[in-house]
Amino acid sequence: QKEVEQNSGPLSVPEGAIASLNCTYSDRGSQSFFWYRQYSGKSPELIMSIYSNGDKEDGRFTAQLNKASQYVSLLIRDSQPSDSATYLCAVTYSGGGADGLTFGKGTHLIIQP
Amino acid sequence: DAGVTQSPTHLIKTRGQHVTLRCSPISGHKSVSWYQQVLGQGPQFIFQYYEKEERGRGNFPDRFSARQFPNYSSELNVNALLLGDSALYLCASSWDRGQPQHFGDGTRLSIL
Repeated sequence: QKEVEQNSGPLSVPEGAIASLNCTYSDRGSQSFFWYRQYSGKSPELIMSIYSNGDKEDGRFTAQLNKASQYVSLLIRDSQPSDSATYLCAVTYSGGGADGLTFGKGTHLIIQP
Repeated sequence: DAGVTQSPTHLIKTRGQHVTLRCSPISGHKSVSWYQQVLGQGPQFIFQYYEKEERGRGNFPDRFSARQFPNYSSELNVNALLLGDSALYLCASSWDRGQPQHFGDGTRLSIL
């Protein structure tokens, strides 16, 4: 059973601080890793993709991947109230021809003004 | 450029009916995937199509079917609707395997 685990939260972070979101996955064959942001009542919006070990930075967002530990994280620097949302970790697997995303349940992030 | 478009936005059906949901991918994207999201959960993979062929399916019953057309748009069909089929149905497109998938706004399906 391929699984992606996230702490559902809520995770409360003061405005201007760093928010740290974590995700673990079960299948070592996983190749592609994504973070999506989903506002209440809206669809998921892609914010980061990462494919190899290490860090990847894009503006205030940094994704970190450690395949040996089967661990993916997302850091949000200088958190803003508009960052309050559910953050979904998603993984694609190498087996077979399809690369349907397997999602975690999401972490609900609250940025306190 | 237009993003992924889905229709209709909302739909109300009764048990036993069937439904067809439609999706147009981002221009140039050849892969379309369908997901079901129930409240409080992450999206669950239903189908993926690439170049008009089914590339894979998730753990959903045969009541669910889909197809992709020559213009890469796609339909998701659900027969014999159950109360448990009430959910947000999401379509996502990507230009190739392993590339980021971009989601449409979804179709919210309610079964009475």
